[in-house]
Amino acid sequence: SQQGEEDPQALSIQEGENATMNCSYKTSINNLQWYRQNSGRGLVHLILIRSNEREKHSGRLRVTLDTSKKSSSLLITASRAADTASYFCATDGLTSGSRLTFGEGTQLTVNP
Amino acid sequence: DAGVIQSPRHEVTEMGQEVTLRCKPISGHNSLFWYRQTMMRGLELLIYFNNNVPIDDSGMPEDRFSAKMPNASFSTLKIQPSEPRDSAVYFCASARGPTSQFFGPGTRLTVL
Repeated sequence: SQQGEEDPQALSIQEGENATMNCSYKTSINNLQWYRQNSGRGLVHLILIRSNEREKHSGRLRVTLDTSKKSSSLLITASRAADTASYFCATDGLTSGSRLTFGEGTQLTVNP
Repeated sequence: DAGVIQSPRHEVTEMGQEVTLRCKPISGHNSLFWYRQTMMRGLELLIYFNNNVPIDDSGMPEDRFSAKMPNASFSTLKIQPSEPRDSAVYFCASARGPTSQFFGPGTRLTVL
């Protein structure tokens, strides 16, 4: 298994509903980040949570981190069709410097 | 700021030809990353530079791949000779230290 595995692989919801995506990782980390990728585009950074933080908010995004379980979740509230994209978590190990390891991503589809 | 700039955006070439991908990072960023993304293997880190020095090239698939960063504002990824299995989207990203990375739009490479 790779560092940073997202679950589920695909998620389809209706506009207005909340979307929750999970990420698990294997080694100790400094930070965990979430990125979004629209089809045919580069990844866009959404939010970073440090290993000593448990929860972070940014607009409609809420990220939690449980270092004891080596897992994180990304919650998107009141989803919109424009939120349709792939979402990736990325981790940096304690000795990996600037290197990030990305998971395989969750494909989110928000139906209007 | 124009963000990370990559060229070309699309490249179609024949097997055996040399391919050169180019990247201009965001001014002031001291880390630069080259990634490859395919459906089968997801997003893979190929190599990353810190202050123009290659730090980790363990992701470079084989000797056919090489990367350079002659100065803080330019990097190249070269494939010689190219093979059909090199077909992928290649992303360049830059960062200021071990924080969020900013991705370019990618180069879609097709090797026939």
